[in-house]
Amino acid sequence: NAGVTQTPKFQVLKTGQSMTLQCAQDMNHEYMSWYRQDPGMGLRLIHYSVGAGITDQGEVPNGYNVSRSTTEDFPLRLLSAAPSQTSVYFCASSTRGGPSPLHFGNGTRLTVT
Amino acid sequence: AQSVSQHNHHVILSEAASLELGCNYSYGGTVNLFWYVQYPGQHLQLLLKYFSGDPLVKGIKGFEAEFIKSKFSFNLRKPSVQWSDTAEYFCAVRGNTDKLIFGTGTRLQVFP
Repeated sequence: NAGVTQTPKFQVLKTGQSMTLQCAQDMNHEYMSWYRQDPGMGLRLIHYSVGAGITDQGEVPNGYNVSRSTTEDFPLRLLSAAPSQTSVYFCASSTRGGPSPLHFGNGTRLTVT
Repeated sequence: AQSVSQHNHHVILSEAASLELGCNYSYGGTVNLFWYVQYPGQHLQLLLKYFSGDPLVKGIKGFEAEFIKSKFSFNLRKPSVQWSDTAEYFCAVRGNTDKLIFGTGTRLQVFP
């Protein structure tokens, strides 16, 4: 009963490096999303997807790319990491529809030096 | 677009005190409202949600929230807090799209 799985749990990058944060869910959820959590700023939506092949921007999309080739996977790419991207990143999924609550992964703590 | 305001950034209480955390949202249409809790070092967990019907919603661990449409509010309450309620609490709103927008959170510290 895995739910939402994020890898890695921790990552340190140098400025300018690229990397991909992985997110997979086994609940057949159509909706998947990425948030970043920073002290005093809550969770801010980066990108989201309502199904394979469909993605859209959230509140803070700059510097991040996503794709959704399968229902299960929703990777988040940092093309050229910046210190401002130091944060904790959460992937979350749900069925579609207003009352559906999000199921969260355990998070990835990213530090960019 | 929807947005959420949580005006209490940090709340400190003694055990057995009553709790009320404020949440106001901005959205002109039908909303779905949520409260999540995040214990130290963990991910967010759902406390309760409102989508229709009785505006007083009961959740887990003795928490409840009241949806007041005229005030665009969805405040979280608990009659008597425990030390184990120490956590960060997030209000969130979903309008007519799938995306869920969160407030900035309220950090609750409960002292024995």
